[in-house]
Amino acid sequence: QKEVEQNSGPLSVPEGAIASLNCTYSDRGSQSFFWYRQYSGKSPELIMSIYSNGDKEDGRFTAQLNKASQYVSLLIRDSQPSDSATYLCAVRGSGTYKYIFGTGTRLKVLA
Amino acid sequence: NAGVTQTPKFQVLKTGQSMTLQCAQDMNHNSMYWYRQDPGMGLRLIYYSASEGTTDKGEVPNGYNVSRLNKREFSLRLESAAPSQTSVYFCASSESRLAHNEQFFGPGTRLTVL
Repeated sequence: QKEVEQNSGPLSVPEGAIASLNCTYSDRGSQSFFWYRQYSGKSPELIMSIYSNGDKEDGRFTAQLNKASQYVSLLIRDSQPSDSATYLCAVRGSGTYKYIFGTGTRLKVLA
Repeated sequence: NAGVTQTPKFQVLKTGQSMTLQCAQDMNHNSMYWYRQDPGMGLRLIYYSASEGTTDKGEVPNGYNVSRLNKREFSLRLESAAPSQTSVYFCASSESRLAHNEQFFGPGTRLTVL
């Protein structure tokens, strides 16, 4: 089992819809969770971070964390074609300086 | 602030050649990382340096060496390049003494080994 798992997609949503991206992780002691967006040919950039169970909202983005289920998600409301990118989930493990990345989910927002 | 910088941006090597990828950060971060990214594989950690003076292997260290030259700079060396090392290489840094701090990435180096 991979340490951080994501559906590779592509996930296609119409413009204006809600895009839901999911990530599961295996280390129950993980402390911090990050969502990065990566456009083709570019480097990853941070979208959201979350550390506590529940929801965290920032503009059109909401991160959700459920440590009991070892599950973290990212919701993008009012999706725009400019949101089309690969979204990477990253997890900071317990007692480590390492960040483990999933393989990413490719999102396509259709105009 | 430039953030995280990497040189070169592109490189083509022949099998067996050596080269060093350079990375520098101006955010006074204690930790630095080297990743490679291949299609469908996500970001895989090659080596990292939790703090100045320390380096540790990541998931895919074979064929690579690193040097943490000082707090700002972390280099990645390929001693004898192989076609399997064709990839995009990203350097990242983090103030990782706090678990909640994120990583910041450089622009990447696109390496082709023929």
